[in-house]
Amino acid sequence: DGGITQSPKYLFRKEGQNVTLSCEQNLNHDAMYWYRQDPGQGLRLIYYSQIVNDFQKGDIAEGYSVSREKKESFPLTVTSAQKNPTAFYLCASKGMNTEAFFGQGTRLTVV
Amino acid sequence: GQQVMQIPQYQHVQEGEDFTTYCNSSTTLSNIQWYKQRPGGHPVFLIQLVKSGEVKKQKRLTFQFGEAKKNSSLHITATQTTDVGTYFCAGSPPGGYQKVTFGTGTKLQVIP
Repeated sequence: DGGITQSPKYLFRKEGQNVTLSCEQNLNHDAMYWYRQDPGQGLRLIYYSQIVNDFQKGDIAEGYSVSREKKESFPLTVTSAQKNPTAFYLCASKGMNTEAFFGQGTRLTVV
Repeated sequence: GQQVMQIPQYQHVQEGEDFTTYCNSSTTLSNIQWYKQRPGGHPVFLIQLVKSGEVKKQKRLTFQFGEAKKNSSLHITATQTTDVGTYFCAGSPPGGYQKVTFGTGTKLQVIP
């Protein structure tokens, strides 16, 4: 089955901790994206990557970091510098002539 | 940078009424895509429009791409409770298919 997988589905973080959200795709897509969604709000772009070993900041990159060492994987680290990390995080991938495919999302809560 | 706005932000309709959401980009787009996100779910692709002035239909849904390729609309005829969710448009600039900007979304609530 081709698709995009995010894990974990739910994640709890203590204040001051870094956490890493996983995103894996087997669609052979070059482009991958991370979005943040707050309750009742739209999708805000955190980071995106157009190719392996390259990525660009989105609109709200502060407090987040990413890596793209493999085509299939685009993990997102929420660092302690992100002051309000509680949100729904969505990963997506896209091919040249395709729509964006989204993972199921990770709900991050700071406790 | 490219900005994509949608109006209205929220819409409550009685079941059976029609619904329209409008999408406006600050720059010309190469294409426009529409997605639906059910409550608690993730966005799911509905359709893509590429040509200026293009109109496409999916059962009760009608999608339109403006002549200048800077705006789009989604119209739902005779809404049903299954139409509940948030509708997003998304666009890419010419030559930049990887730079996808999502609209602000319109949340639709259907009252039975």
